[in-house]
Amino acid sequence: RKEVEQDPGPFNVPEGATVAFNCTYSNSASQSFFWYRQDCRKEPKLLMSVYSSGNEDGRFTAQLNRASQYISLLIRDSKLSDSATYLCVVTTGNQFYFGTGTSLTVIP
Amino acid sequence: DAGVIQSPRHEVTEMGQEVTLRCKPISGHDYLFWYRQTMMRGLELLIYFNNNVPIDDSGMPEDRFSAKMPNASFSTLKIQPSEPRDSAVYFCASSLGPEQYFGPGTRLTVT
Repeated sequence: RKEVEQDPGPFNVPEGATVAFNCTYSNSASQSFFWYRQDCRKEPKLLMSVYSSGNEDGRFTAQLNRASQYISLLIRDSKLSDSATYLCVVTTGNQFYFGTGTSLTVIP
Repeated sequence: DAGVIQSPRHEVTEMGQEVTLRCKPISGHDYLFWYRQTMMRGLELLIYFNNNVPIDDSGMPEDRFSAKMPNASFSTLKIQPSEPRDSAVYFCASSLGPEQYFGPGTRLTVT
């Protein structure tokens, strides 16, 4: 079983829609959780950290569910500029595990 | 800060040739990571260093791959001899805490 699993999508949503991604992880001892964004032919960039209490940054909300071992990312009022691949990252000890990414395309 | 710097940005080489990829981490960061990304396999961790010491190289595909970090501001990833299946984007990343910062990557094509 993979350490981190994501639905690869693609997700095609109209502008203004709300979209959510989930990412499951297999190791209950995992400690830190992040969402990264990767634009086409660019490097991954940190979007936000994920805390147990949940955190929000503008239109983006990240949640962690330790009991069910998944993290989520919610994007409200989608913009064309949100089109990208979203990668979840889970750290366990000194190991970093990236999901394969979920592709999002926001359509005008 | 200039961010993580990688060179070259693009490399095209013939099978059997030696390839050396270079990385300069963000100043003050004590972790350095090398990743490979392909459409088929996604982002794979190859090796990472802490304070210039290799900690985990279990992701290095085979003996043709080697990585060094002679000092805190420089690391290399070498492939010798290169093969067409090594074609990928190779990213270097550095960190001080759990958040990693990626360089722009080196797009390697082996013909």
